[in-house]
Amino acid sequence: NAGVTQTPKFQVLKTGQSMTLQCAQDMNHEYMSWYRQDPGMGLRLIHYSVGAGITDQGEVPNGYNVSRSTTEDFPLRLLSAAPSQTSVYFCASRRIGRENSYEQYFGPGTRLTVT
Amino acid sequence: QQQVKQSPQSLIVQKGGISIINCAYENTAFDYFPWYQQFPGKGPALLIAIRPDVSEKKEGRFTISFNKSAKQFSLHIMDSQPGDSATYFCAASMVYNFNKFYFGSGTKLNVKP
Repeated sequence: NAGVTQTPKFQVLKTGQSMTLQCAQDMNHEYMSWYRQDPGMGLRLIHYSVGAGITDQGEVPNGYNVSRSTTEDFPLRLLSAAPSQTSVYFCASRRIGRENSYEQYFGPGTRLTVT
Repeated sequence: QQQVKQSPQSLIVQKGGISIINCAYENTAFDYFPWYQQFPGKGPALLIAIRPDVSEKKEGRFTISFNKSAKQFSLHIMDSQPGDSATYFCAASMVYNFNKFYFGSGTKLNVKP
């Protein structure tokens, strides 16, 4: 199992550009989520999904879009990048509705810089 | 405002010492409190977690102490080792609405040999 994978590892964007951060998991997890990690702020939830076709907002959803067409993939789209979106982005997944399903598995992260 | 407040921001401990990281929360609906460990360049990984029906949970050298009335919980690392040097995050969630986790701001632990 590869677990949770994220691409790219690093990305530099100019203000106003758009891009998609990719996330995939091979554990057949129903729940997937995106966090951003900023110094002194911990991890903050951007969007999450409980299954294909079902997404919802987290704490800091503005400026980000998501969709979930398959169980495996959960891409995060930045429509018009802003310097405030400079951050490290983590994707996570977990099972739903089973014993011991509380554990979230995180990907290795994407470091995004917006200039 | 942050739902979970974590302290200290950084911590230096000698090898063999005890590392203590504290977290506090306000929302009494929280009923699941995990701790995550993150090494540089990696994603966080679950270390240990507690539900409020117990006051303490121990796994190896790692112990969570939970004080429901004070709305505080802490991570104790006994016999700290240089390999424990990492950033630690506490978090909180609600089992009946498990879709959202709220993280503390993180503590960078440095264990000196």
